[in-house]
Amino acid sequence: GENVEQHPSTLSVQEGDSAVIKCTYSDSASNYFPWYKQELGKRPQLIIDIRSNVGEKKDQRIAVTLNKTAKHFSLHITETQPEDSAVYFCAAAGNTPLVFGKGTRLSVIA
Amino acid sequence: DAGITQSPRHKVTETGTPVTLRCHQTENHRYMYWYRQDPGHGLRLIHYSYGVKDTDKGEVSDGYSVSRSKTEDFLLTLESATSSQTSVYFCAISAETGPYGYTFGSGTRLTVV
Repeated sequence: GENVEQHPSTLSVQEGDSAVIKCTYSDSASNYFPWYKQELGKRPQLIIDIRSNVGEKKDQRIAVTLNKTAKHFSLHITETQPEDSAVYFCAAAGNTPLVFGKGTRLSVIA
Repeated sequence: DAGITQSPRHKVTETGTPVTLRCHQTENHRYMYWYRQDPGHGLRLIHYSYGVKDTDKGEVSDGYSVSRSKTEDFLLTLESATSSQTSVYFCAISAETGPYGYTFGSGTRLTVV
């Protein structure tokens, strides 16, 4: 089955800097790669997703890139703000339920 | 909010007792999922359902059973709770599986003592 690895497990950045979180997946049949943000004590919420026919997708300060050949995808957050502090999860799926990475705790230091 | 609710929000139970968690949706989505979240493990799939009475196992299904008798309700039962099942349980829904985003419920924090 699918296996998703996520790095780093923790990340601290200064406010205004960029943050990058990377994930790799194992199943070449996977074609959907969402990212979820989970604030402390809250539910995970979808922030951006990408499908395998697209290499990059942007939404304001966040972007996701996908390299299907290398089986990895990344989340980029620019101009980080304190409210970006949260745990971020990547996930991958083909025609099966989502498999999640173990999460990255992002801390944005003001 | 998202049209998905979980109950109870918090529960403390004793080892060896059965426990049932409920997930209710108002979106008429076909797929429903139960994940558990533990520090250092992320979200792991327990069971999922692709229709009334249609369910399948996930990665960590041992010790759990599910039932779906109506489109809107998906129940997770811990047949005989153990301390290793102390966790936060999230239900999620999606219109289809695979390349579709999930909407999560608010979670149930279960403590087995």
